[in-house]
Amino acid sequence: EIVMTQSPATLSVSPGERATLSCRASQDINRNLAWYQQRPGQPPRLLIYRASTRATGIPARFSASDFGTDFTLTISSLQSEDFAIYYCQQHNNWPWTFGQGTRVEIK
Amino acid sequence: DVQVAQSGAEVKEPGESLKISCKASGYTFTSFWIGWVRQMPGKGLEWMGIIHPGNSDIRYSPSSQGRVTISVDESITTAYLQLSSLKASDTAMYYCASLVGAVYTWGQGTRVTVSS
Repeated sequence: EIVMTQSPATLSVSPGERATLSCRASQDINRNLAWYQQRPGQPPRLLIYRASTRATGIPARFSASDFGTDFTLTISSLQSEDFAIYYCQQHNNWPWTFGQGTRVEIK
Repeated sequence: DVQVAQSGAEVKEPGESLKISCKASGYTFTSFWIGWVRQMPGKGLEWMGIIHPGNSDIRYSPSSQGRVTISVDESITTAYLQLSSLKASDTAMYYCASLVGAVYTWGQGTRVTVSS
């Protein structure tokens, strides 16, 4: 099973600041990676697919990059609605696996 | 537009069985994977299993082997998740998600409560 490790577990950021979230895969996943945002009481919302492509309707302040098995999600200027939990997920090998999540909270 | 709509909340007693549904639309149902994700209260996300309606290839996560059955009815483009011998620890939100190309579309979730 591929293990996805996210860091940090919690990120405290002030509104308007930049947030950088990391995700590492335990082996090569051929860029078959998605990023999600989950707000309380809501289903996960797809932000990024294929490691770096923004999903339909996702604001440009969300961007993503990758290098080998390391993946990064950047939120350039945090808005109030961005405080949430973020998950990465691989779908290269079954079982598809999620990271444990990064909580982005207001500083 | 790709859409996925799940059945409503369920309350069950321990030992009972459960079957929840997921109606997909807006794409060729038989061409893409569709699956189920569990989220226990206050916890993260976990894939339970996936099915390819076109060839009935079904894959279960190791933790889902045994009491979980995933199926589809192609005629109504609907996927199902069955859980047998329910336990209190099956209390969770269950999400259905389709993978069209590399893009996931999620349902709104079905809340399942198992309590005596």
